[in-house]
Amino acid sequence: SSELTQDPAVSVALGQTVRITCQGDCLRTYYASWYQQKPGQAPVLVFYGKNNRPSGIPDRFSGSSSGNTASLTITGAQAEDEADYYCYSRDSSGKHWVFGGGTKLTVL
Amino acid sequence: QVQLVQSGAEVKKPGASVKVSCKASGYTFTSYWMHWVRQAPGQGLEWMGLINPSGSSTTYAQNFQGRVTMTRDTSTSTDYMELSSLRSEDTAVYYCARDSSGGNSWWLDPWGQGTLVSVSS
Repeated sequence: SSELTQDPAVSVALGQTVRITCQGDCLRTYYASWYQQKPGQAPVLVFYGKNNRPSGIPDRFSGSSSGNTASLTITGAQAEDEADYYCYSRDSSGKHWVFGGGTKLTVL
Repeated sequence: QVQLVQSGAEVKKPGASVKVSCKASGYTFTSYWMHWVRQAPGQGLEWMGLINPSGSSTTYAQNFQGRVTMTRDTSTSTDYMELSSLRSEDTAVYYCARDSSGGNSWWLDPWGQGTLVSVSS
């Protein structure tokens, strides 16, 4: 079982806002990073740290963290945002790293 | 541009070993750690381990201890991941991904294109 827990599936209406969450004790110490993966493609970094978005990632992607929960928010979801999303962090031991189980986002 | 290019797909029999390569370009290879991640068909991402910038130190996930070996050739800017005693459950896409960190956060960017390893008798 993963140290990071994500909802398996989330849906959002086109143009609406959706929050994808990731829970784990290690998130009280470390920030999560977030990855988008579309079918047949390698994961792509979409948000990391306290407040960092890689160049080329639309500003509708944002992140936040509180206690043991990290969140990725998509404000005004687009059809192209339909994908699997994974959180990632150093684990509680500080020696290894771990992914959440992933959340499949459907844009209706 | 920063790029990771992995070796091609492999088909192996149970009990065999596989060695996947990851050639880096566009950055100072010896300044960054590299992680390996795998994804079984229809499943999530699984962290396998990492190698340090000089190639002198590795850390492996518990699930792969004793079966995985990560090495680095700094002369060719290439990392390798070898997995031994293959079984059908090792059928997966294997990715390399460059590590970065700062401010109590770690992130992986970029990723290689992935290498499909199929294990079947």
